[in-house]
Amino acid sequence: AQTVTQSQPEMSVQEAETVTLSCTYDTSESNYYLFWYKQPPSRQMILVIRQEAYKQQNATENRFSVNFQKAAKSFSLKISDSQLGDTAMYFCAFKTGANNLFFGTGTRLTVIP
Amino acid sequence: KAGVTQTPRYLIKTRGQQVTLSCSPISGHRSVSWYQQTPGQGLQFLFEYFSETQRNKGNFPGRFSGRQFSNSRSEMNVSTLELGDSALYLCASSPGTMGEKLFFGSGTQLSVL
Repeated sequence: AQTVTQSQPEMSVQEAETVTLSCTYDTSESNYYLFWYKQPPSRQMILVIRQEAYKQQNATENRFSVNFQKAAKSFSLKISDSQLGDTAMYFCAFKTGANNLFFGTGTRLTVIP
Repeated sequence: KAGVTQTPRYLIKTRGQQVTLSCSPISGHRSVSWYQQTPGQGLQFLFEYFSETQRNKGNFPGRFSGRQFSNSRSEMNVSTLELGDSALYLCASSPGTMGEKLFFGSGTQLSVL
């Protein structure tokens, strides 16, 4: 079975500080892709970052970076210099051979001014 | 390029009715997939269409169906609506190959009374 677990339902961080969101997953596939999406109150799902499982190097997009531990099946998201606009639900997801995403339950992040 | 467009944004129906939701993908994208988002079940994959053919299907009853037109626009239909069908329905488009990112629309909020 393909599962994604986000163990932190809610988190908060002070503006300009750093926060890490956790994600673990389970799959028997060897080739897959991992994603973090954010969903602000507007409800639109916005891609934050993507990681190919066959790449050892951790993906980075500006203030967002991941810590990908393939053996542990862990894929955490680090947000540096947090901004008020980062307040949103964050979903960890992955997909294998089929073009459909398996999502975690989400972490609600609040950035405090 | 224009983003993924979903219409309508909001919909109110009563039990037993049927409903059709529409999704226009990003120009050039051939894959359209549909997801249901509820507070209880989270984000769940409904189905994916690629070049007018259903390529993948999630675990939903036959009341949920879809189709894709030659211009890649897709519609999702739910017949004999139940209260539990109340949800945010998200559409995502992508070029269609495995590693590609999925781009989401803002969703259609369906309320079944």
